[in-house]
Amino acid sequence: DQQVKQNSPSLSVQEGRISILNCDYTNSMFDYFLWYKKYPAEGPTFLISISSIKDKNEDGRFTVFLNKSAKHLSLHIVPSQPGDSAVYFCAALLDTGRRALTFGSGTRLQVQP
Amino acid sequence: GAVVSQHPSRVICKSGTSVKIECRSLDFQATTMFWYRQFPKQSLMLMATSNEGSKATYEQGVEKDKFLINHASLTLSTLTVTSAHPEDSSFYICSARKPGAVYEQYFGPGTRLTVT
Repeated sequence: DQQVKQNSPSLSVQEGRISILNCDYTNSMFDYFLWYKKYPAEGPTFLISISSIKDKNEDGRFTVFLNKSAKHLSLHIVPSQPGDSAVYFCAALLDTGRRALTFGSGTRLQVQP
Repeated sequence: GAVVSQHPSRVICKSGTSVKIECRSLDFQATTMFWYRQFPKQSLMLMATSNEGSKATYEQGVEKDKFLINHASLTLSTLTVTSAHPEDSSFYICSARKPGAVYEQYFGPGTRLTVT
């Protein structure tokens, strides 16, 4: 049973436009949600996070929105740049026990120049 | 900073042999390290949680006798794939968490294992 889902395997946007990556989850007990960026043959790099008690967190070009009632979060990148092209993983964490991350399957973002 | 390294970055081995992968936190001490496995075009699947000085906690379905994890110091955890088979071929990634951190995990660059 996949607790974190990214239903869009890929997304293509034009440079300068907004990229919106979506993520759904099933476990309402998750305390934190994180977005990671990953290039091939490299480890994920942390981008931005949001606590379950908030509905928005912004960091430069990156904004994460959380809709707890819908169990949905999204990552907005604006303006998109060619260097943003990578695979983006959504992850969730329970702030208890081993506090391990549960990852979604990833969305490949391609930003066209 | 928070840098995590892995060695080797790429390894090819023959079926039946064992392979050891090292994960090091270079500029911080990590009381907890995690080992993940990623199949092509799929998500990172948590294999086990490694705590310094104690036995690793394995996820359901992960054979602890096949994937030996040792977290001997605050900066080093090792994953040994024993009696490797072609189906063990995968991308293995470790991450480390700083003491007191709630969710920040810093990932290594990964190790590509190919078993022939």
